[in-house]
Amino acid sequence: GAGVSQSPSNKVTEKGKDVELRCDPISGHTALYWYRQSLGQGLEFLIYFQGNSAPDKSGLPSDRFSAERTGGSVSTLTIQRTQQEDSAVYLCASSLDTGVETQYFGPGTRLLVL
Amino acid sequence: AQSVTQLGSHVSVSEGALVLLRCNYSSSVPPYLFWYVQYPNQGLQLLLKYTSAATLVKGINGFEAEFKKSETSFHLTKPSAHMSDAAEYFCAVTISGYSTLTFGKGTMLLVSP
Repeated sequence: GAGVSQSPSNKVTEKGKDVELRCDPISGHTALYWYRQSLGQGLEFLIYFQGNSAPDKSGLPSDRFSAERTGGSVSTLTIQRTQQEDSAVYLCASSLDTGVETQYFGPGTRLLVL
Repeated sequence: AQSVTQLGSHVSVSEGALVLLRCNYSSSVPPYLFWYVQYPNQGLQLLLKYTSAATLVKGINGFEAEFKKSETSFHLTKPSAHMSDAAEYFCAVTISGYSTLTFGKGTMLLVSP
């Protein structure tokens, strides 16, 4: 079956612009996660959605970052007023449930802020 | 809070040699441990996971890992490296009732002919 898909695969933007990154999870997966992968910082958790519960936003680095998940499926990560330090690969993952359930990762969106 | 330490940002082996990638964890409660592999320009793929059943866990592509509580370790091994094993490997930890994974910094495995 189809895996997790993300778009765009690459995004180049200018400092100060807003960007939106999209994630389509595997059908039927109730949990959705966003991670950021950058040189020197490794993989960092950003935000997590589980069903209709309030999202866990504890990993968001600043209030310029936000995410939503519409209809329990597609998710959009928005970064406002982008900064050069936001340059990274943004990975989305989904799972059937939480905890020990395997998280399936998408290919990521490579963001470059000039 | 949980944490993971991967010793060695790069490990080089010859094709056919033993692969050993080290992972040590820190957790105040019994952990669940994972190894993921990332090939260039791709997302992460699960190799194997430990969820408090057997301490020796077998995964895909001939990899296995052993959970050693006394050493707080979960090292990844493969008896004989193949060129196709060249990739970055991540160890991750979570605990019961917790949703997200905490990843190590990753180890790049280089395989030479």
